[in-house]
Amino acid sequence: TQLLEQSPQFLSIQEGENLTVYCNSSSVFSSLQWYRQEPGEGPVLLVTVVTGGEVKKLKRLTFQFGDARKDSSLHITAAQPGDTGLYLCAATRLSGSARQLTFGSGTQLTVLP
Amino acid sequence: NAGVTQTPKFQVLKTGQSMTLQCAQDMNHNSMYWYRQDPGMGLRLIYYSASEGTTDKGEVPNGYNVSRLNKREFSLRLESAAPSQTSVYFCASSWRGSMNTEAFFGQGTRLTVV
Repeated sequence: TQLLEQSPQFLSIQEGENLTVYCNSSSVFSSLQWYRQEPGEGPVLLVTVVTGGEVKKLKRLTFQFGDARKDSSLHITAAQPGDTGLYLCAATRLSGSARQLTFGSGTQLTVLP
Repeated sequence: NAGVTQTPKFQVLKTGQSMTLQCAQDMNHNSMYWYRQDPGMGLRLIYYSASEGTTDKGEVPNGYNVSRLNKREFSLRLESAAPSQTSVYFCASSWRGSMNTEAFFGQGTRLTVV
C-alpha cells in the first residue's frame, strides 16, 4: 500500500480542456509537493503547499492542500500539449531523525493538439 | 550549473553481474536519495543519506547497497543483478534543514538486466 495514492493513473484530453488530478493519503503531512516529469528527465518541483486549505496558482495550474492536510489536488485550466508529462505528488515524513521524501505513483497526462 | 549528475545514463547487465551507479551533486546539499522508477509505480525510495556518514533504508532496499563517499557523492551498488532490478534509477539531493525542501534530481540511469 502506497502512502500517497494518486488518481487517475492515466489521463488523455484534448487541448483546451480542464482537468483535475488528486493525491490522497490517510496520513497527515506538514507539507506536500507536486513535481512534473518529462520523458528522459528527472522530476522538477512545481509547488509546495504547507497550510491546510491553502491554494496556490502557477499560471494555469491551481494547487490545493486539503483542510486536514491529508490530500491535495492539481487543476489545470485550458490544457496545452506542453502540459503533457507525469505529475507526481510527494511528502516528507520523519523516520527516526531522518526525513524520507516519498512519492505517489503519478498521473500520466497526455494533452492532444 | 551541473546540479545532480548521474553516471552511466544507460547500462545493460547480465544476471549475476555487479555494478555501481554514481551520483554527485554540486549544490552543497546535506541529504541525498536513490529512487527507482517502474511503470505505474511512481518513484520508490531505495536508500537515503540524511548527511555525510549516515545512510538509511527506504521502501525497497533489498539487493542494493549504498555509500555516502563524501558530502557530494552517493553511490548505489548492485552486488548480483537480477531481472527484477531492471528499472530507471534516479539520484536526488536536498537541503536537510526544512521539511518543505525541494529535491533536485539527476537525469536517471536506465538499467536493463538480462
